[in-house]
Amino acid sequence: ETGVTQTPRHLVMGMTNKKSLKCEQHLGHNAMYWYKQSAKKPLELMFVYNFKEQTENNSVPSRFSPECPNSSHLFLHLHTLQPEDSALYLCASSQEFTGTGNSPLHFGNGTRLTVT
Amino acid sequence: AQSVSQHNHHVILSEAASLELGCNYSYGGTVNLFWYVQYPGQHLQLLLKYFSGDPLVKGIKGFEAEFIKSKFSFNLRKPSVQWSDTAEYFCAVTPRRTGANNLFFGTGTRLTVIP
Repeated sequence: ETGVTQTPRHLVMGMTNKKSLKCEQHLGHNAMYWYKQSAKKPLELMFVYNFKEQTENNSVPSRFSPECPNSSHLFLHLHTLQPEDSALYLCASSQEFTGTGNSPLHFGNGTRLTVT
Repeated sequence: AQSVSQHNHHVILSEAASLELGCNYSYGGTVNLFWYVQYPGQHLQLLLKYFSGDPLVKGIKGFEAEFIKSKFSFNLRKPSVQWSDTAEYFCAVTPRRTGANNLFFGTGTRLTVIP
């Protein structure tokens, strides 16, 4: 049990679809993150929320839209995606920002997204 | 820009062999360093971390890593690998400065241990 739960595990969607990824953490952490993991590339940070406030948006296209209704839940809304957006999307949480170095990330199992 | 390099993409070893996975980073300031591991079908999890003090840090399952500041390296080692160590290993670095909120990952090294 990782403490960070992501649903769905797998998602196939067309380029005109709208879908959402969900993440829930049961660790009492204050920061939540979305990462993108593509083959042969480093994990890419997409969004960071600290105490429900978005603090980081790493030049992510607007077809990805995050939502953090409370400190335990994080969503990634998807619309009009491109085939190159196919990847594993990882949610993570930490007690505080990783930047302070004292708060390692706890990852979920990820959602494998395929855009057709 | 900060980057993390893991030069070994896939390493294949027999059980009981010794392991060393390379990790180099490019950042001139003070950093915190991590190794994460992802076992098949499981989530990424922390293996070990270095913040300060003794540059040789020990993690779970007999792994250790040595921070060599002059070489900007944080190599992962294990004297004798087991089949259960088959996994993907990710090195990660975060600048130790206020307001930093990004963890920079390497591309990962896949380790296959043959029984």
